[in-house]
Amino acid sequence: AQSVTQLDSHVSVSEGTPVLLRCNYSSSYSPSLFWYVQHPNKGLQLLLKYTSAATLVKGINGFEAEFKKSETSFHLTKPSAHMSDAAEYFCVVRTGFQKLVFGTGTRLLVSP
Amino acid sequence: EAGVAQSPRYKIIEKRQSVAFWCNPISGHATLYWYQQILGQGPKLLIQFQNNGVVDDSQLPKDRFSAERLKGVDSTLKIQPAKLEDSAVYLCASSLGPTFRGNEKLFFGSGTQLSVL
Repeated sequence: AQSVTQLDSHVSVSEGTPVLLRCNYSSSYSPSLFWYVQHPNKGLQLLLKYTSAATLVKGINGFEAEFKKSETSFHLTKPSAHMSDAAEYFCVVRTGFQKLVFGTGTRLLVSP
Repeated sequence: EAGVAQSPRYKIIEKRQSVAFWCNPISGHATLYWYQQILGQGPKLLIQFQNNGVVDDSQLPKDRFSAERLKGVDSTLKIQPAKLEDSAVYLCASSLGPTFRGNEKLFFGSGTQLSVL
């Protein structure tokens, strides 16, 4: 069965430093993968998606993710963190039954 | 464009009581989803509607949970009777169509936070 594992429950960075949120996937075939972001008291929002086109995917707000089949990873990165990036981030895989299965989430903390 | 509307925002009930949540999706969105998000976990799909028909309810605890979308627009999710383990945020989402048609962009509401005491 397809699944995703988010390797860190919390990540803390300083404003202006790079962000790395890690996600590994498990899939018997080429998966469709997504990152969603959840700000406090707001709905989940799609950041970016990978659906077997380019392996480097660019999303909103300067985020990008790279699909690496050899490492079964889909890590989310941003060159320079902003205070407004503080939120919960979810790695998501679409299963063979067309469901979206969410990871457990990574809380990003950004300090001034 | 108006987003996905959910009410109430918070609900506190005692175990064995009943509760209902309401969701109004984005206008024109045919697919509606209810997710359950327990603290510290990612959202889990409870039920998916395509217009007014159920596409997937495999993870819905049908002995106590029910959901309907009678006119293919807004939807209600009910729990009767509630258990302590039902404490969670209940998220409603909508999309233009099912995810297998490339419509993976789900639009989520802010959720209803349920506490069962």
